[in-house]
Amino acid sequence: KNEVEQSPQNLTAQEGEFITINCSYSVGISALHWLQQHPGGGIVSLFMLSSGKKKHGRLIATINIQEKHSSLHITASHPRDSAVYICAVATGGGADGLTFGKGTHLIIQP
Amino acid sequence: KAGVTQTPRYLIKTRGQQVTLSCSPISGHRSVSWYQQTPGQGLQFLFEYFSETQRNKGNFPGRFSGRQFSNSRSEMNVSTLELGDSALYLCASSLAYLERGEETQYFGPGTRLLVL
Repeated sequence: KNEVEQSPQNLTAQEGEFITINCSYSVGISALHWLQQHPGGGIVSLFMLSSGKKKHGRLIATINIQEKHSSLHITASHPRDSAVYICAVATGGGADGLTFGKGTHLIIQP
Repeated sequence: KAGVTQTPRYLIKTRGQQVTLSCSPISGHRSVSWYQQTPGQGLQFLFEYFSETQRNKGNFPGRFSGRQFSNSRSEMNVSTLELGDSALYLCASSLAYLERGEETQYFGPGTRLLVL
């Protein structure tokens, strides 16, 4: 069973700062997902990646398959980025569905 | 295209009762996965259905079951409710099944279940 660790658990930053959230997993995967959850519960899928790097607006996600590690970066952070960011992995060929990290609670102060 | 819908949004039940939650995926999506989210355990995978067949099942007791219909709509059922079943239940849909790792998951708004 894959173990997914996220760091930090909580992060408070000032508007405009560069944010990095890390995710490590223990077993090889077929894909890694970054999810965003706002208060109220709705979850939005930000990225799905199996190699390299993806960028969408101010968000960048990278993955290093050899090191079993992924990072989510937010450039020019804004208070509306305040949310819980969750890393989830899919282990190809297994029966575990998605395995989730505990999430990173991000607060961006104006 | 309409998003993933879940009904009901809120539900209050008492211990021992059973409950059925419904999920309508995005049109054309054949995979529906169900998740439980609690403050203590975070998000946990319940099961995945693809083309009416259960593909994967998480580590939950047999009281948790589901099914998928030919139009890809899915239901999950929890029998003999326990206090610990109080949670946010989320479903997500995608074009391909999870192990393929090729498709983005689209989440519904969730059903918040309170067991008294």
